Amino acid sequence: RKEVEQDPGPFNVPEGATVAFNCTYSNSASQSFFWYRQDCRKEPKLLMSVYSSGNEDGRFTAQLNRASQYISLLIRDSKLSDSATYLCVVIRMDSSYKLIFGSGTRLLVRP
Amino acid sequence: AAGVIQSPRHLIKEKRETATLKCYPIPRHDTVYWYQQGPGQDPQFLISFYEKMQSDKGSIPDRFSAQQFSDYHSELNMSSLELGDSALYFCASSPHRGRYTEAFFGQGTRLTVV
Repeated sequence: RKEVEQDPGPFNVPEGATVAFNCTYSNSASQSFFWYRQDCRKEPKLLMSVYSSGNEDGRFTAQLNRASQYISLLIRDSKLSDSATYLCVVIRMDSSYKLIFGSGTRLLVRP
Repeated sequence: AAGVIQSPRHLIKEKRETATLKCYPIPRHDTVYWYQQGPGQDPQFLISFYEKMQSDKGSIPDRFSAQQFSDYHSELNMSSLELGDSALYFCASSPHRGRYTEAFFGQGTRLTVV
């Protein structure tokens, strides 16, 4: 079982739809959480950090549930340009300091 | 704003050759990570450095080595290249080891071994 798990998708949604991605992590030493976006053959780019109280950035809302070891990303009013792979990333800080990636969830927004 | 710079962007090597990939982190970032991403796969952690010392090691083959220099740039040296080493290699840097410390990625080096 991977340390960070995501539903691989793809999620195929029409423009304007609301879509939610989930991510679970298994290591309780995980302390920081992020969503990255990766376009095909490009580098991952930081979309947003995930704070304990939840946070919002425009159409994007991130939530963290430490008790359930679960992170979510909600995208409202999807745009064609949102089509990408969304990577859940966790920083584990125990004896080491490492970014752990989920496998990514692919989103396709259709006209 | 300055970003993470990787060079070269593309590299073609033959089997059994060696390759050196370079990474220049964002100024004042003291932590560097290297990742390998094969086609259709998620990034796999190779190795990381903090303040010029190796801080963690992932699934890096013994044929690979890396170091971080006094100016914080890092190099990934790959020897006895195999076809399976063909991948996108990303370097990322982050400013410090505290909480909510985002990492920023370079554009990657695409290595093709033929």
